Amino acid sequence: KAGVTQTPRYLIKTRGQQVTLSCSPISGHRSVSWYQQTPGQGLQFLFEYFSETQRNKGNFPGRFSGRQFSNSRSEMNVSTLELGDSALYLCASSSTGNSEKLFFGSGTQLSVL
Amino acid sequence: QKEVEQDPGPLSVPEGAIVSLNCTYSNSAFQYFMWYRQYSRKGPELLMYTYSSGNKEDGRFTAQVDKSSKYISLFIRDSQPSDSATYLCAMKANAGKSTFGDGTTLTVKP
Repeated sequence: KAGVTQTPRYLIKTRGQQVTLSCSPISGHRSVSWYQQTPGQGLQFLFEYFSETQRNKGNFPGRFSGRQFSNSRSEMNVSTLELGDSALYLCASSSTGNSEKLFFGSGTQLSVL
Repeated sequence: QKEVEQDPGPLSVPEGAIVSLNCTYSNSAFQYFMWYRQYSRKGPELLMYTYSSGNKEDGRFTAQVDKSSKYISLFIRDSQPSDSATYLCAMKANAGKSTFGDGTTLTVKP
């Protein structure tokens, strides 16, 4: 069974631009969560989607948004990029919502210049 | 103060050593306790999970949860160079998201 696929693996953007990251969960998994990982803050929860509905949201500004499609694939968008948005963005899928068993992708490394 | 605090490390041990990784937490609602392993340039991989208190063993790995002290540990016996990675503890209540520690980087030297 294929794992969680995140694209692209690397992105370089400049301040003020916007970016869209993509995540394809494990086949059959209906829940997708997004996390931001930085050396200083560790893994910070962004949001979780289950069957196209946002179920949980972390403490991030409204510039961070996401959505989930009917095939469970998810996208995350960050608008008006700031230098502090540079991070590894990780997507995790699980078979049910609010699961303790998360399966992570390899992440998208975003650099904002 | 963070809900989950993890011993920061880094930790460097010789091959064959016993490794102890530890986390404390403040949220009494946490019921699920997980350990993830993250290799460089990869996403975290679920290593073990425990529900409520007690011990769980899987090969060379043992997870311990002490809810009375709000303290969890992961022990690695006979550590191998392939165990070199960052280890993240994570916890969650019955409903809601997983909350992660900041990770401990372990290096096992041959």
